[in-house]
Amino acid sequence: GQNIDQPTEMTATEGAIVQINCTYQTSGFNGLFWYQQHAGEAPTFLSYNVLDGLEEKGRFSSFLSRSKGYSYLLLKELQMKDSASYLCAVSLYSGAGSYQLTFGKGTKLSVIP
Amino acid sequence: KAGVTQTPRYLIKTRGQQVTLSCSPISGHRSVSWYQQTPGQGLQFLFEYFSETQRNKGNFPGRFSGRQFSNSRSEMNVSTLELGDSALYLCASSLVATSDTGELFFGEGSRLTVL
Repeated sequence: GQNIDQPTEMTATEGAIVQINCTYQTSGFNGLFWYQQHAGEAPTFLSYNVLDGLEEKGRFSSFLSRSKGYSYLLLKELQMKDSASYLCAVSLYSGAGSYQLTFGKGTKLSVIP
Repeated sequence: KAGVTQTPRYLIKTRGQQVTLSCSPISGHRSVSWYQQTPGQGLQFLFEYFSETQRNKGNFPGRFSGRQFSNSRSEMNVSTLELGDSALYLCASSLVATSDTGELFFGEGSRLTVL
């Protein structure tokens, strides 16, 4: 199966910048997504990368390198409300013209004062 | 507009029983995917339905099944429940086939406890 690797936990200080990395196997790659999930809540969509490079959306940016099978989510000016799990998800070709979205186990980010 | 609605939100079953979970997608969304979320394994893909057809199925035993109705509402069923089936079951809807665009809208989930 697909291995999507991301750190289990990270801690960062309010106001700082944090980078959450994600690596994946590149075969059949069709796109990479980041989702945010607060404790006890549903995941919500953050970003989508299908081409190499950086996508910026406010305080959040996501980078993709398809040849390296690597992505990162960059969070700037951290706020306490950013404490959540961040899920990396990869769309892969699963045969017969269809694709499957597979999630990593998530990175639990704790923002401290 | 209303989000993805899952029912029931919480339920307790015993080993050997079966359970049916329901998901109503966002109006106009034709794709519904189901995921199992546990602390140890994260989000694991169960299956995806699009226009009443199963497009993809994850690596779960045949005890896990699902279907989608003509109004895009979906149900999943787990038969002969095992302790390891205790998890949060998340449903997600998408306007088109899920992995073509990737943006999933998740429901709050159904938390199943098997005793």
